[in-house]
Amino acid sequence: GQQLNQSPQSMFIQEGEDVSMNCTSSSIFNTWLWYKQDPGEGPVLLIALYKAGELTSNGRLTAQFGITRKDSFLNISASIPSDVGIYFCAGQSYNTDKLIFGTGTRLQVFP
Amino acid sequence: NAGVTQTPKFQVLKTGQSMTLQCAQDMNHNSMYWYRQDPGMGLRLIYYSASEGTTDKGEVPNGYNVSRLNKREFSLRLESAAPSQTSVYFCASKVAGYYGYTFGSGTRLTVV
Repeated sequence: GQQLNQSPQSMFIQEGEDVSMNCTSSSIFNTWLWYKQDPGEGPVLLIALYKAGELTSNGRLTAQFGITRKDSFLNISASIPSDVGIYFCAGQSYNTDKLIFGTGTRLQVFP
Repeated sequence: NAGVTQTPKFQVLKTGQSMTLQCAQDMNHNSMYWYRQDPGMGLRLIYYSASEGTTDKGEVPNGYNVSRLNKREFSLRLESAAPSQTSVYFCASKVAGYYGYTFGSGTRLTVV
């Protein structure tokens, strides 16, 4: 089945560092979303992107919808311990209700 | 509190046993989904229901059945559990025309 490739798989960083992760697909998507999953919980929506080239921020988080519509990027600035979790990208094609999720990036932040 | 409620939170089954995972949402959402999460695999869609009375297969439907009992409830049934179905199962819902899903907190299932 279709799946999105996320990289890196995991990151171990120090508090205060910036983080970058990306997601690529072989298919075009009309919407890209980024979710965060805290340990023992379900994913929670962070940012939604609706147009190619769009750059959207949510506090210290910034995400971009790639021009080719086959990729998306998420940056976290000045990381803090509560940023720990798994970050998932998700793509949605036109005229479908289904989201395709990426494989996830596990983030660990050390004080 | 408004949201998606899943029961049970944890379950251990023996191979061949059956069980039903329950999901209910109180946000009047039209669409509901069942995903499974496995290490390194992300979230994979098992079944979904675009509206009350309809269900469709997702990416990994084999070994599962679903029922959209009413607008609020969407259950997932394992008729004869197998160790390969050991996973964390998430239910999600969304309103028509909106892209963001609301997820439940998951059911951790172990099949021994």
